[in-house]
Amino acid sequence: EVQLVESGGDLIQPGGSLTLSCAASGFTFDDFAMHWVRQGPGKGLEWVSGISWNSGSIGYADSVKGRFTISRDNVKESVYLQMNNLRPEDTALYYCARGNAVVVAYYIDFWGQGTLVTVSS
Amino acid sequence: DIHMTQSPSTLSASVGDRVTITCRASQDISSWLAWYQQKPGKAPKLLIYKASTLQTGVPSRFSGGGSGTEFTLTISSLQPDDFATYYCQQYTTYVITFGQGTRLEIK
Repeated sequence: EVQLVESGGDLIQPGGSLTLSCAASGFTFDDFAMHWVRQGPGKGLEWVSGISWNSGSIGYADSVKGRFTISRDNVKESVYLQMNNLRPEDTALYYCARGNAVVVAYYIDFWGQGTLVTVSS
Repeated sequence: DIHMTQSPSTLSASVGDRVTITCRASQDISSWLAWYQQKPGKAPKLLIYKASTLQTGVPSRFSGGGSGTEFTLTISSLQPDDFATYYCQQYTTYVITFGQGTRLEIK
């Protein structure tokens, strides 16, 4: 059974930094791209970032480019999202998700349950 | 980046109705489009990919169509479990984008 378990969400002050983690199991991790998708309170889905199977291709939404960094560890079967210079508008539930291919440009077929990030003073 | 626009934003319908949601892309995305269903407090669920291919386990009352810049999600006969929010997503580039969502509510 595919499982994606996010962790690391917290209450953080504006300008602060936070790193989210996602532990994957139930599939061959390095056969798939991975993504982070967020959903602000009462809002729609916003794709944040994606990383290919070998970290060779990475994409970011304009709203986070230059502030967020995605990475993965295929040995630990985990994907990470380092978030710097956090803003109140980054407040959201952050989902870890699996892309249905090795490349970033593909649809997402499994989602975790999310970890909550709240940016507020 | 490619912008995705869904219409309507909210749709009121009754059990048994046939409903269609439209998704438009700001540029040609061929058939690189997926549809997701999300219920309150839950993660999204993949319904359709490559514009018209039904994900395994999804009921056949769901169907997708279109190509290029205009796409549709149709539910042929609404069931109580179908009242949820639906999102389209393009995946033609390594910067993926979602539509803003369509909330399907009970009339």
